[in-house]
Amino acid sequence: EAGVVQSPRYKIIEKKQPVAFWCNPISGHNTLYWYLQNLGQGPELLIRYENEEAVDDSQLPKDRFSAERLKGVDSTLKIQPAELGDSAVYLCASSFKFPYNEQFFGPGTRLTVL
Amino acid sequence: GENVEQHPSTLSVQEGDSAVIKCTYSDSASNYFPWYKQELGKRPQLIIDIRSNVGEKKDQRIAVTLNKTAKHFSLHITETQPEDSAVYFCAASNANSGYSTLTFGKGTMLLVSP
Repeated sequence: EAGVVQSPRYKIIEKKQPVAFWCNPISGHNTLYWYLQNLGQGPELLIRYENEEAVDDSQLPKDRFSAERLKGVDSTLKIQPAELGDSAVYLCASSFKFPYNEQFFGPGTRLTVL
Repeated sequence: GENVEQHPSTLSVQEGDSAVIKCTYSDSASNYFPWYKQELGKRPQLIIDIRSNVGEKKDQRIAVTLNKTAKHFSLHITETQPEDSAVYFCAASNANSGYSTLTFGKGTMLLVSP
């Protein structure tokens, strides 16, 4: 079984530039999550999708971050413009909806903003 | 919302010793408590989980205990091996909500010396 796929694995950009991350979840998983992981910290949820609907985006900084999950499969997370403080690892995860949902994580995208 | 505290932040043991990592949670409605292991530069992976209807669960050298009254749960690793060295994250969620979200602790770096 293929795991959660993310690309790119690494991204270096200058501040104020836009950046986008892509995630392909495990086939059949209708719930998709984007997490932010700072160095030495646990993952923090940015947004959760149930199929194509964003059911929890309360922690997403909407002034610069946006996400979409067209057709309820792949998802894209975008930052525009990027700031120095956005440097972190962006993790995508997927799971079944019910009832005790093991989340399977992707390898993450390490973003460095210069 | 849920708040998960995790201790200690680092733990150094000798090979063969036991290791214990403790977490507390704030939301009494939380009923699902997974533990994830993250090796350096890799994705978090589920190693064991427990639901609120049981007090203890074991899987070979690892075990998790849950005290619902005190709202804390612990990970126990016996006969530690160098390959157990990693960052361990506890998490909590209300799996009955239907759209449950995991709240992670800040992690414990376990170092097992040969």
